[in-house]
Amino acid sequence: DTGVSQDPRHKITKRGQNVTFRCDPISEHNRLYWYRQTLGQGPEFLTYFQNEAQLEKSRLLSDRFSAERPKGSFSTLEIQRTEQGDSAMYLCASRSEGTEAFFGQGTRLTVV
Amino acid sequence: EDQVTQSPEALRLQEGESSSLNCSYTVSGLRGLFWYRQDPGKGPEFLFTLYSAGEEKEKERLKATLTKKESFLHITAPKPEDSATYLCAVQRPGSARQLTFGSGTQLTVLP
Repeated sequence: DTGVSQDPRHKITKRGQNVTFRCDPISEHNRLYWYRQTLGQGPEFLTYFQNEAQLEKSRLLSDRFSAERPKGSFSTLEIQRTEQGDSAMYLCASRSEGTEAFFGQGTRLTVV
Repeated sequence: EDQVTQSPEALRLQEGESSSLNCSYTVSGLRGLFWYRQDPGKGPEFLFTLYSAGEEKEKERLKATLTKKESFLHITAPKPEDSATYLCAVQRPGSARQLTFGSGTQLTVLP
């Protein structure tokens, strides 16, 4: 296992379209996070899963955003009816109890 | 609400010119302070975790220190390959233990 994997690396979409991103965490990690990062800023927390349960969501996660982690393995983040303000890098991170979080390379979303 | 402020926003150094990056924080019940390195277009790469005031950790040319209100990342004799954005984050209590990040310091080391 080489680390946290995210797909796609880049996505360009038209405003109003739906997009879905995938994250494959490090296999033994049961905790998974989604963050969003805009240019010149640090990552901002979006949501947290422990195994398959989504236990925490940020106020940043509007109704257009939904995340799942079926079977406690990979996770998906879907954005419906995308807006230009959704353009950002979406980062996934995973960890196990007592360890630091390891980040994936991110998915760069551009909404045109 | 947790706050993390990093300074300076950008720093240009000559190769071999040592300096320090600052991270000041306010958090209720610090569970850990983290330093990450981020290269353009990539995800953050873990460097250090500090848990209590007075703690220090070192890795190659980097040394991180922690007080009750701030953390420093000291860079000794930097090389061009140390050029990156350095992010500081605090971990809050609670089950999620999510990170609150600062905006980062963009370091450029000139040959």
